[in-house]
Amino acid sequence: QVQLVQSGAEVKKPGASVKVSCEASGYTFSNNDFIWVRQAPGQGLEWMGWMNTKKGDTGYAQVFQGRVSMTRNFFRNTAYMELSSLTFEDTAVYYCARGTSGSPDFWGQGTLVTVSS
Amino acid sequence: QAGLAQPPSVSKGLRQTATLTCSGNSDNVGNSGNGGVSWLQQHQGHPPKLLSYRDNSRPSGISERFSAYRSGNTASLTITGLQPEDEADYYCSAWDSGLNAFVFGPGTKVTVL
Repeated sequence: QVQLVQSGAEVKKPGASVKVSCEASGYTFSNNDFIWVRQAPGQGLEWMGWMNTKKGDTGYAQVFQGRVSMTRNFFRNTAYMELSSLTFEDTAVYYCARGTSGSPDFWGQGTLVTVSS
Repeated sequence: QAGLAQPPSVSKGLRQTATLTCSGNSDNVGNSGNGGVSWLQQHQGHPPKLLSYRDNSRPSGISERFSAYRSGNTASLTITGLQPEDEADYYCSAWDSGLNAFVFGPGTKVTVL
């Protein structure tokens, strides 16, 4: 069965970077895109960007341009999302999801990133 | 109008029918070439779960009590025979070709009375 397992919770200081991993299993890793979504406490879902796993092409939400990077490692069947220059407003649960026909069909369990001084 | 619009809450009785709406424009909901509208269910403290994709397709394992529909710039999700476990937040989403971004609605909180 398809599973996406994300890395554990992180606590970061303002100005730091965080890298969240998303290990996929149960399907052919390169066949599907990845999307990354975050959810601030008590808020809705916010799309951060997508990555074509096979080609490595990416597309980022304008609000994150310049400080987000999405990559993958074929040997580890793992996708990564790195966000830099963190501020308190980046405190959120970060989700990876598999993209199929333009829809996020399977989701990781989420990674809580807390930005605190 | 940027993004998608959803009513903040819907309350219905047990075993009743709830219809949730999602309003957009011709760049997102109204543009079927973008892959259509998806609906997601999220219980408190859990990741979202896909209920419907490509406007009205149900993934394997999703109850037939959930059905989605799109007409023009408005999409809807109907939940029949409401159960206590249907209490959750429901989000619509679609690709927006004008913004070149995937957009989510603000979500609708469903309460089963």
